[in-house]
Parts: sequence; structure tokens; C-alpha cells
Amino acid sequence: DIQMTQSPSSLSASVGDRVTITCRARQGINNFLAWYQQKPGKVPKLLIYTASTLHSGVPSRFSGSGSGTDFTLTISSLQPEDVATYYCQKYPSAPFTFGPGTKVDIK
Amino acid sequence: EVQLVESGGGLVQPGGSLRLSCGASGFTFRIHAMHWVRQASGKGLEYVSGINSNGGATYYVDSVKGRFTISRDNSKNTVYLQMGSLRAEDMAVYYCARSPSSGWYYFDSWGQGTLVTVSS
Repeated sequence: DIQMTQSPSSLSASVGDRVTITCRARQGINNFLAWYQQKPGKVPKLLIYTASTLHSGVPSRFSGSGSGTDFTLTISSLQPEDVATYYCQKYPSAPFTFGPGTKVDIK
Repeated sequence: EVQLVESGGGLVQPGGSLRLSCGASGFTFRIHAMHWVRQASGKGLEYVSGINSNGGATYYVDSVKGRFTISRDNSKNTVYLQMGSLRAEDMAVYYCARSPSSGWYYFDSWGQGTLVTVSS
């Protein structure tokens, strides 16, 4: 099974800051990577798929990049409503492993 | 509007069984792969099981193999997770999630979740 790691595990940034989260796969997964946002007490929501494609309705301040084993999720200008835990996930081969998550809050 | 509504969670003793259901509406259920993902309190997301659009292919994470069974009834727009030999470590919120097509892809819609509590 391909393990997924994320860094950092948590971060605190100011409103307006650029925030970058990294996800790494133990083996290459081409660009088959998704990012999810889970706000406190809420259901996870899809942000990005195929590493860089923004899901419908997701604000343009979110972007994704990467291929192979290394991926990033960037929030260009952090907003208060972005406080959440962010998870990466590999597909299309099972298991569809999630990364451990990165908790983002406001400084 | 896509809706996924889970039900069937509750309190069960260790070693017991429970069947979760996920009713779907607002889309053509029979053409989408469906999945179950769980989240223990304060923990991350864990993929549990998936089933392709016609029910011909299923997947289980190692920790539930032989104990859980996923199935679907396309005539009822419902996916099920039959859980047996439940353990304390199975206690979590169980989410139903949809792939955007018949194949094994990311999850573009999620239900609100149903809580499974395993305790004597």
C-alpha cells in the first residue's frame, strides 16, 4: 500500500498570508491526488482533484500542484473561513489512502 | 442537488453487528462508485470500503476485511455497510461518499455521517 504523508501537521498564519501544505506519496501516483477541507465539526469537502483541478465552487485562492510523489496545496491569501484541517488522498488504485491531515488556524 | 443520507449508526457491544445505510438522491446513483470513510473522534479520515457502480467490484481496508461487507441496491439508490465482529477501534463517524463516475476516483460528495459507538 502507498503511504501518504503531510507536512506540517499544523500551522498558524495571519489573515492574508500565503499558506503552503505539502503531501508526499511513498511511490509515484502520477497526478492522481485530491485535496479535501474539513472545517471543525463539519463534513469533508473536495477542493482539488487530479492534483491541480479546482472543484466547482472552490475559491480561486486555493491551488494545487505536483506530480509523481510530491504535491502542494496553496492558499494564496488565508481567510478566516479557511480554518480547517486539510487532507490529501491518492487514487485510483485502492486503498484510497488519506494523508494524516494538516490543521490550519489563524494567528 | 446531490444528497447522501446515512443511517443505522448507534451503540453496539463489542462483537456485535450493525448495518449502515446511505440513501442517495439528486443524481443517477447507478452510474457512480460509492464508498465508506470513517473518522474516529479527534482523528483523521480513514478509507474503509468501496463498491463500483454495478456492485461487481468491492474493496476493503485490511482492518475490516472479513468483518465488513459493502453492497448496493441500485433500485433503491442505497449503499450499505454490514459491520460484524465490531471492536472498540471501529468506533467512529462513518461517512458515505460518492465518486464522480463509475470508476475508483476521488470523492466529490459526502453525507453528514452516522456515529457508531462500540462499548459494553
